[in-house]
Amino acid sequence: EDKVVQSPLSLVVHEGDTVTLNCSYEVTNFRSLLWYKQEKKAPTFLFMLTSSGIEKKSGRLSSILDKKELFSILNITATQTGDSAVYLCAVEVSNFGNEKLTFGTGTRLTIIP
Amino acid sequence: NAGVTQTPKFRVLKTGQSMTLLCAQDMNHEYMYWYRQDPGMGLRLIHYSVGEGTTAKGEVPDGYNVSRLKKQNFLLGLESAAPSQTSVYFCASTRGAEFWGPLHFGNGTRLTVT
Repeated sequence: EDKVVQSPLSLVVHEGDTVTLNCSYEVTNFRSLLWYKQEKKAPTFLFMLTSSGIEKKSGRLSSILDKKELFSILNITATQTGDSAVYLCAVEVSNFGNEKLTFGTGTRLTIIP
Repeated sequence: NAGVTQTPKFRVLKTGQSMTLLCAQDMNHEYMYWYRQDPGMGLRLIHYSVGEGTTAKGEVPDGYNVSRLKKQNFLLGLESAAPSQTSVYFCASTRGAEFWGPLHFGNGTRLTVT
């Protein structure tokens, strides 16, 4: 059974702090790993990682994948209150045309002003 | 651009009632998915479709049925609702296997079964 585990489950930090969110996985036929941010409604896409060791960056957010150790991290520097959200990690599994995403339970990040 | 649209946004059902959730996408995507989200459980895949006329079971398919008669629509049915089906339901879509990319999500349907 495909498994995606995120840690910590929740995190409370002060504005300006740097945070690291973790995602480990055990799946067959790995194709990619994705990070999403979920505020009130639909998850919104952040990053898609397919190659090991290559950092993806967008402003204060960055992410890297380690395919040998089967994990990814999402870093947020100089956090702001607008970063408060649930961050979801998902792994795409390829199954001969039946690709699907398996999600972790998410990390709830709360930024205190 | 509408993207992925789910109707209704909210619904309250009594145990044993039936209903259909509608998902429509205007991006010509091949793949469509239905997820449910419960506290502490993340997003769990109910059913999905890799093209018009196809459906497949996900992780938690029991108690649900789906149909994909038109490429742009993916319907999720509950034949006899149970309190355990109280959840937030998300529909999502993506282009397809060869051009696989991030899922585009609808805004969710909050369903309460009493």
